[in-house]
Amino acid sequence: IAGITQAPTSQILAAGRRMTLRCTQDMRHNAMYWYRQDLGLGLRLIHYSNTAGTTGKGEVPDGYSVSRANTDDFPLTLASAVPSQTSVYFCASSDGYGYTFGSGTRLTVV
Amino acid sequence: GNSVTQMEGPVTLSEEAFLTINCTYTATGYPSLFWYVQYPGEGLQLLLKATKADDKGSNKGFEATYRKETTSFHLEKGSVQVSDSAVYFCALSDRGETGGFKTIFGAGTRLFVKA
Repeated sequence: IAGITQAPTSQILAAGRRMTLRCTQDMRHNAMYWYRQDLGLGLRLIHYSNTAGTTGKGEVPDGYSVSRANTDDFPLTLASAVPSQTSVYFCASSDGYGYTFGSGTRLTVV
Repeated sequence: GNSVTQMEGPVTLSEEAFLTINCTYTATGYPSLFWYVQYPGEGLQLLLKATKADDKGSNKGFEATYRKETTSFHLEKGSVQVSDSAVYFCALSDRGETGGFKTIFGAGTRLFVKA
């Protein structure tokens, strides 16, 4: 089934640890995005990539980094996790006519 | 800059009731407009879209018309079902400064449908 695969589904992480959230798409979409979703705050864009080899900062990029080595993969890395990064993280891709979202990664930083 | 405002929830309806979720936007260009739906424990799914003024998007009994004169894109359904219970997001997409599409999401409106 075409779409976006995110891993892990959920994770409990100790503060200060490094963590990479994985995102893979099989639709050959050029653009990919990482959002976090928090109760009362809606969806906030962390980083984006308009095409392989390029990335850009979104609304809340601090504490996160991304890479886009190829079209299909767009991993999100937390270099040193803090409790305020507890959230549900969604990866998405777009062909310019709407987004396809993954099922999300629920991350708890303790 | 561009923005999207949608009605606060939760909205609680009885089965077979008429649904309207209001969405208004501000934009400097000519954006495309979208409605997404998020069921519990899942990611957002594209519900419908409209790419220019007076276009009507429709899917699964839901409809929304792109009204440039009122800068609105209200979501409607004639008869809701319990299975429509979810969070609905209005969104606007336009070309950003870097050339790629930039999408802004509304805060979401939670819908509860009672049997």
